[in-house]
Amino acid sequence: DAGITQSPRHKVTETGTPVTLRCHQTENHRYMYWYRQDPGHGLRLIHYSYGVKDTDKGEVSDGYSVSRSKTEDFLLTLESATSSQTSVYFCAISVATLLNYGYTFGSGTRLTVV
Amino acid sequence: AQSVTQPDIHITVSEGASLELRCNYSYGATPYLFWYVQSPGQGLQLLLKYFSGDTLVQGIKGFEAEFKRSQSSFNLRKPSVHWSDAAEYFCAREIGNEKLTFGTGTRLTIIP
Repeated sequence: DAGITQSPRHKVTETGTPVTLRCHQTENHRYMYWYRQDPGHGLRLIHYSYGVKDTDKGEVSDGYSVSRSKTEDFLLTLESATSSQTSVYFCAISVATLLNYGYTFGSGTRLTVV
Repeated sequence: AQSVTQPDIHITVSEGASLELRCNYSYGATPYLFWYVQSPGQGLQLLLKYFSGDTLVQGIKGFEAEFKRSQSSFNLRKPSVHWSDAAEYFCAREIGNEKLTFGTGTRLTIIP
């Protein structure tokens, strides 16, 4: 199974402070994604990356930025956190091999902005 | 426009009863479709997926789903639910170039 590690697992931060969430994969997959999960909305795509330094916006990208300087790491930054960004954040990778195709998710980061 | 619709927010079934969770998708050629399950406080686990071919797909934990193009549906079924099946279930489809979009989820409660 693809190894995806999200850090931190939990974070409480104050409104207006910057926050960076990290997603680390161990298997050199090209595509990586950041989603947020909120009640009644399911999971919504924030940003995604299709390679080192290649990123694009998802449907709820306002207030977020991302960076991917190495294949294995995909960082999500909230430049100035707001209470509306309290959510559970999931990182995912796309697995596309001859024997397997699909998406694997990390365990999530629960972020609370107070 | 919503690409994936799960019309049931919450479903309650008795243990041992059959289950069907609904999922409808909109537009596109043959879609890549997925069902995921999420237990409380956990991440998402893939139950099954459909890409092409046989329209009845078998998954893990005794789940299956049937792709019906005429109804734009990909409903998830299980003949007999167990208390451990209580969770939230998400239908998803791939859109564009390797991007996954989700329905809003169905929460399943199991009563003894």
